[in-house]
Amino acid sequence: KNEVEQSPQNLTAQEGEFITINCSYSVGISALHWLQQHPGGGIVSLFMLSSGKKKHGRLIATINIQEKHSSLHITASHPRDSAVYICAVTPLRVGTDKLIFGTGTRLQVFP
Amino acid sequence: DAGITQSPRHKVTETGTPVTLRCHQTENHRYMYWYRQDPGHGLRLIHYSYGVKDTDKGEVSDGYSVSRSKTEDFLLTLESATSSQTSVYFCAITSSPLSTDTQYFGPGTRLTVL
Repeated sequence: KNEVEQSPQNLTAQEGEFITINCSYSVGISALHWLQQHPGGGIVSLFMLSSGKKKHGRLIATINIQEKHSSLHITASHPRDSAVYICAVTPLRVGTDKLIFGTGTRLQVFP
Repeated sequence: DAGITQSPRHKVTETGTPVTLRCHQTENHRYMYWYRQDPGHGLRLIHYSYGVKDTDKGEVSDGYSVSRSKTEDFLLTLESATSSQTSVYFCAITSSPLSTDTQYFGPGTRLTVL
C-alpha cells in the first residue's frame, strides 16, 4: 500500500464546477505539498501546508493532521485547470529532506 | 520562476551507452534532487544532494550515479543505460529542508533507451 494515496485517479468536470481532490497518507509528516503538472510536463508547487487551510486565487488546500488527510479544492473550474495534481508529504521519520509522492489525479475540465 | 534548467531536454540512446543529464540552477539553493517519473508511479527519488560533494541515495538509485562539484550543477549519470531507465527525469531544488520550503522543478528530460 502506498504511503500517499490520492483519489480520484481521474476526474472530469464541466467548466464552472467545484472540484475536490483528496490525499490520504499513513505516516507522520511535517508538511504536505500540492503540485500541478500541466500536459507538456512542467511541475509547479501550488501549496505547502502543515495545518489549517491556505488559499490562492481559486485554489484552496486544507489539511487535517489528526485524520491524515488533505483536500485540494478548485472553485469555478476552467479548462486551463486541466492538469495532473500531485500530493506529496515530508515524512517525519526520514528527516526533512525528502518527499513521498502520490501518483497524481488527472483532471480534465471541459468547456 | 526559479532559475533551473535541464539538459538535454530529449535524448534517445542505445542500451549499454553512458548518459549524463545536467541540472543547472542560478538560485544558489543548497538542496538538489533527481527524480524519475513513470506511468503508474509517483515521482521517485533517485539521488539528492545537500551541498557541494554531499550526496545520498534515494529509493531507486541502482544504475545511477551523481556528482555535485559546484553549487549550481548536479549531474546524473547512467553508466550503462538500460531500457528500464527510459523515463522522464526531473531535477528539483530547494533552499531549506522540505518541512519549511517548497521544491522548484526543472522542465524535465525525456530519455529513451532503445
